[in-house]
Amino acid sequence: SQTIHQWPATLVQPVGSPLSLECTVEGTSNPNLYWYRQAAGRGLQLLFYSVGIGQISSEVPQNLSASRPQDRQFILSSKKLLLSDSGFYLCASTPRRTYEQYFGPGTRLTVT
Amino acid sequence: RKEVEQDPGPFNVPEGATVAFNCTYSNSASQSFFWYRQDCRKEPKLLMSVYSSGNEDGRFTAQLNRASQYISLLIRDSKLSDSATYLCVVLDVFSGGYNKLIFGAGTRLAVHP
Repeated sequence: SQTIHQWPATLVQPVGSPLSLECTVEGTSNPNLYWYRQAAGRGLQLLFYSVGIGQISSEVPQNLSASRPQDRQFILSSKKLLLSDSGFYLCASTPRRTYEQYFGPGTRLTVT
Repeated sequence: RKEVEQDPGPFNVPEGATVAFNCTYSNSASQSFFWYRQDCRKEPKLLMSVYSSGNEDGRFTAQLNRASQYISLLIRDSKLSDSATYLCVVLDVFSGGYNKLIFGAGTRLAVHP
């Protein structure tokens, strides 16, 4: 079974600062990878998905970007954070030939 | 119309009660269906997959009605530990190997002594 790691677990950043969140997956190869954001008291919003190395698709235009430099590594970045970027960021993985999606423990980001 | 709609909640029930959550989806071509559970300030966790006419796993039973585009989750003999938000999730599959989960907003369940 796969394991999804995310770090950091919590982060407090000032407005205008850069962001880098990392997600790594163990126990599977060539998964589909996803970044979600969940604002306080709200549902999940899909931000990015990737079907392979270097292949990134964006669901919502914003000041965030994603990269997949290795098969099981997915990175979420921003050059300048906004207050509205605060939220719970979740990385998820769907192993090939399955449809079940599994989530990492998440990063709770507060932009001040 | 939202792609996946759930009962608004919250549901407040005593221990031992039976509670049912309902969910409807708009895309008749959706292929797979799931229930996830999310505890406060935690990641969603897969509770059950619903692939055919329904699944049963202990106290939990999920039903799917493709004709009505309706999914349900029944929890029998509720426990305090069942308190969480339950997310109805529908899978859409696209070309190129990409699959996308559409999440409902969730229904909160609070089980009290």
